[in-house]
Amino acid sequence: GQSLEQPSEVTAVEGAIVQINCTYQTSGFYGLSWYQQHDGGAPTFLSYNALDGLEETGRFSSFLSRSDSYGYLLLQELQMKDSASYFCAVSPGGGADGLTFGKGTHLIIQP
Amino acid sequence: DAGVIQSPRHEVTEMGQEVTLRCKPISGHDYLFWYRQTMMRGLELLIYFNNNVPIDDSGMPEDRFSAKMPNASFSTLKIQPSEPRDSAVYFCASSTRSGGNTGELFFGEGSRLTVL
Repeated sequence: GQSLEQPSEVTAVEGAIVQINCTYQTSGFYGLSWYQQHDGGAPTFLSYNALDGLEETGRFSSFLSRSDSYGYLLLQELQMKDSASYFCAVSPGGGADGLTFGKGTHLIIQP
Repeated sequence: DAGVIQSPRHEVTEMGQEVTLRCKPISGHDYLFWYRQTMMRGLELLIYFNNNVPIDDSGMPEDRFSAKMPNASFSTLKIQPSEPRDSAVYFCASSTRSGGNTGELFFGEGSRLTVL
């Protein structure tokens, strides 16, 4: 089976940097994805890591260490609109076989 | 291009009633997924289809749940009879093969089900 662990809640200040960690245990591993979900909305794709290292997309970056079964999402220059839940997800078997999601991290941003 | 379209957006029903949720995937996407989201269990994969064929339904909670995909542009998730513990937001998502390889799924806005 698969399990993912991430903090349930993180608080940060507008303009600051925040890191959301994710550790996983899977029977197979293809890559780690990150999704954002605003209250009442749909999950939307942010990033994907298949190889070790850092991937940068604007203010958001994502990191993966396959040997440590660990990844993180880094959000810079936080804006109030970044207040949302963030989910890590693994693709255990490769291909489009569905993702297993973590329980999500609720990011609270204070002015 | 239109995104994944789900209906109804909200459904309130009484225990024992049949519920049918509908989904239209993005045109050209050959993978379709049904997820359920609750506070307690998070996002759970219920079933997924490839080219209209069910591939893995191991996440379907029990026989009261069934899903069909009669063609490439339409899928249904049916609960019969419904129970209060089925109350959740049900998401449909679609993907291409390459999108699946990059972990990118496109989600609909969800159907919020309340069973009284």
